[in-house]
Amino acid sequence: DAKTTQPPSMDCAEGRAANLPCNHSTISGNEYVYWYRQIHSQGPQYIIHGLKNNETNEMASLIITEDRKSSTLILPHATLRDTAVYYCIVNGGSTLGRLYFGRGTQLTVWP
Amino acid sequence: AAGVIQSPRHLIKEKRETATLKCYPIPRHDTVYWYQQGPGQDPQFLISFYEKMQSDKGSIPDRFSAQQFSDYHSELNMSSLELGDSALYFCASSPPLGLAGFTDTQYFGPGTRLTVL
Repeated sequence: DAKTTQPPSMDCAEGRAANLPCNHSTISGNEYVYWYRQIHSQGPQYIIHGLKNNETNEMASLIITEDRKSSTLILPHATLRDTAVYYCIVNGGSTLGRLYFGRGTQLTVWP
Repeated sequence: AAGVIQSPRHLIKEKRETATLKCYPIPRHDTVYWYQQGPGQDPQFLISFYEKMQSDKGSIPDRFSAQQFSDYHSELNMSSLELGDSALYFCASSPPLGLAGFTDTQYFGPGTRLTVL
């Protein structure tokens, strides 16, 4: 049921920007792109979401391509506490409500 | 800010026993979701409730049932427990659509770790 593809792992130096890609080529017009993360065995944490415009909040920025088939989550200054599994999720339309967690990307931030 | 509360945080049961997990959503949130995360797995959707009515159902075993009460808290009842039910169980809540637009961002609780021996 997962509609997204993410690299299984990435790493980033502390203080540098972490750019996490996601492909969602079958996204439909009324579906949003959500990003969540899960720090080891904790509850998933909402990060950001968007429809077609780029979005920014206190945690991250979300860049969505014009054709909406892919997006990038940007953590501008990664810290050790950002080490987590990051999930890109497409939600909305007929599947409004339930979240499909795919394999996600394990981001490791190193000192 | 208030978060989703789940109780208990840890639960140990024997095979064939019954367990009840509780979830208290963020105040004024009207939708509750339950997810199961097995060891080394990603969270899987089980069931959701909107305004005390079941709104969606995923891969939830027939041995499990759930409901949402008038104060919007929810309980997940699990009977005839099996070893494979050992997992983290997360509850999430989302605000009324009118407050969040079309989307319903879900906010997760800390989870209940169920161990079946």
